[in-house]
Amino acid sequence: DIVMTQSPDSLAVSLGERATINCKSSQSVLYSSNNKNYLAWYQQKPGQPPKLLICWASTRESGVPDRFSGSGSGTDFTLTISSLQAEDVALYYCQQYYTTPFTFGGGTKVEIK
Amino acid sequence: QVHLQQSGPGLVKPSQTLSLTCAISGDSVSSDSATWNWIRQSPSRGLEWLGRTYYRSKWYDDYAVSVKSRITINPDTSKNQFSLQLNSVTPEDTAVYYCARGTSRLNDAFDIWGQGTMVTVSS
Repeated sequence: DIVMTQSPDSLAVSLGERATINCKSSQSVLYSSNNKNYLAWYQQKPGQPPKLLICWASTRESGVPDRFSGSGSGTDFTLTISSLQAEDVALYYCQQYYTTPFTFGGGTKVEIK
Repeated sequence: QVHLQQSGPGLVKPSQTLSLTCAISGDSVSSDSATWNWIRQSPSRGLEWLGRTYYRSKWYDDYAVSVKSRITINPDTSKNQFSLQLNSVTPEDTAVYYCARGTSRLNDAFDIWGQGTMVTVSS
């Protein structure tokens, strides 16, 4: 199975400041035939299911604010919130969909400092 | 607009069978561009993909090794829904269970989720 490791487990950021979350996969999730990274980011708020924010490592889903961005390739990925808003307080997960079993990172809790 | 509505009991006794249903609106369980998944979440195991069913000229399913001997995911085309059965449950199966759609647009990233069902395994 591909193991997804996120860091940090939690971070506290002031409103308007940048938040950065890292995700590392135990093997590459870059599919060479189409040069796409099979890596997604989800946001989960209390009592709600995860919400897909970013797919293909860097493509925002429709309706996702542009302060959310994803980067990275191969085994190392980053989710950045460029200017943290109060409504961004949540848990964030990375997930690989390169191969089954699909696997998730352990999550990063983002709070306001 | 696609919506997934989950139903099923929130309490199951040890050794019995956990059964949940996910009703689909706005899409079809027989779609050739979607997969229909079950995922669970617990403090000890985090988010864990359990398995999926999908139709590509015929029905397929595949399951996580951790539950493979105990799990069945079935489509129900007459009701446009799919179900999860997990046999011989133990307290370790206590979790929030989600159904989710994987879309071929995203090569099966999960773009639509059900509301979640908290299932407790306890006598």
